[in-house]
Amino acid sequence: DGGITQSPKYLFRKEGQNVTLSCEQNLNHDAMYWYRQDPGQGLRLIYYSQIVNDFQKGDIAEGYSVSREKKESFPLTVTSAQKNPTAFYLCASSPRTFYEQYFGPGTRLTVT
Amino acid sequence: LAKTTQPISMDSYEGQEVNITCSHNNIATNDYITWYQQFPSQGPRFIIQGYKTKVTNEVASLFIPADRKSSTLSLPRVSLSDTAVYYCLVGDMSGDDMRFGAGTRLTVKP
Repeated sequence: DGGITQSPKYLFRKEGQNVTLSCEQNLNHDAMYWYRQDPGQGLRLIYYSQIVNDFQKGDIAEGYSVSREKKESFPLTVTSAQKNPTAFYLCASSPRTFYEQYFGPGTRLTVT
Repeated sequence: LAKTTQPISMDSYEGQEVNITCSHNNIATNDYITWYQQFPSQGPRFIIQGYKTKVTNEVASLFIPADRKSSTLSLPRVSLSDTAVYYCLVGDMSGDDMRFGAGTRLTVKP
């Protein structure tokens, strides 16, 4: 069953801790993306990757880091430097950049 | 950067046709127009993509005038389940211009 998975669905962390969000796809897509969505707002691009071992910053990359060591995996680390990390995080993939994107179910991160 | 402008919200009734317009005055030659639908607490879902004139699929039509400075997503005979936020994106295939705006919140009433 092909698709894109994110885990966990809900995540709670204390302020000052780094946390890594998982994103895996078995669609053989080249491009992967991370977005952040705050309540009532649109999606904002954090990072994207067009090929393995390469990624680019989006509009709000500060306080986040990513890696792309495998084609199917694109984990996102929310570091303690991110001032307002509580949000809904969405991962997506597409055959190539800007083609139809397939989104995962999202991870809702709460930092207190 | 190609910036998009959409109405914040729209209301409609079941069975009506809904047209949502997106303005993108500084669209570039290589830019495509893509629309997504998002339900609460879910990731967006691709609806349709086009470059010029008219594109139609099983769920929607996309109308793009000759100057490409705007586009209109047309949803035929909406139902309650079409209540969602609709996003218009404009960008080229490089991925350097991936931006979702605030979207249009469509509410379909019985």
